[in-house]
Amino acid sequence: QKEVEQNSGPLSVPEGAIASLNCTYSDRGSQSFFWYRQYSGKSPELIMSIYSNGDKEDGRFTAQLNKASQYVSLLIRDSQPSDSATYLCAVNDGGATNKLIFGTGTLLAVQP
Amino acid sequence: NAGVTQTPKFQVLKTGQSMTLQCAQDMNHNSMYWYRQDPGMGLRLIYYSASEGTTDKGEVPNGYNVSRLNKREFSLRLESAAPSQTSVYFCASETGVTDTQYFGPGTRLTVL
Repeated sequence: QKEVEQNSGPLSVPEGAIASLNCTYSDRGSQSFFWYRQYSGKSPELIMSIYSNGDKEDGRFTAQLNKASQYVSLLIRDSQPSDSATYLCAVNDGGATNKLIFGTGTLLAVQP
Repeated sequence: NAGVTQTPKFQVLKTGQSMTLQCAQDMNHNSMYWYRQDPGMGLRLIYYSASEGTTDKGEVPNGYNVSRLNKREFSLRLESAAPSQTSVYFCASETGVTDTQYFGPGTRLTVL
């Protein structure tokens, strides 16, 4: 059973701080990694994708990938109350299809 | 460019009734997916279609059928609804190359 694990939270950070969200995955064959943001009652929205080891930055967001440790993380700098949402980690299944396996998500709460 | 659209947004059914959830995308994507999302369970894949004319079972296909009507449309049918199918249903599409999936707004289904 291929799995993606996330701490469900809630992760509470003060406004302006760095929020660090973590994810581990079980399939060593996975090559594509994604972070989605989901506001309550809304659909998942893609924030970042990362395909190779290291860091990838996009504005206040940085995704980090370590395939040897099977670990992917998302850093949010200068956190804002509008960042309060559930963050879903998704990993491709490593097989012949493009299916994604989703974690259950981490709830982030940014306190004003 | 509407992206991925889903109808209806909300639906209440009685046990044993049938219904079809509609999904359409205007991004010329090859692959389409149906997920259900339940509290604490994350997104679980019901069925997917890697390309027009093909469909395959996902993690939780029992009680559902799908039709890939053409490249744009992918419908999900509940033949005899059960309370266990109360959930939020999301449709997603993906180019078939990058694994990046884009989600529709969701259908909130309650089966009494």
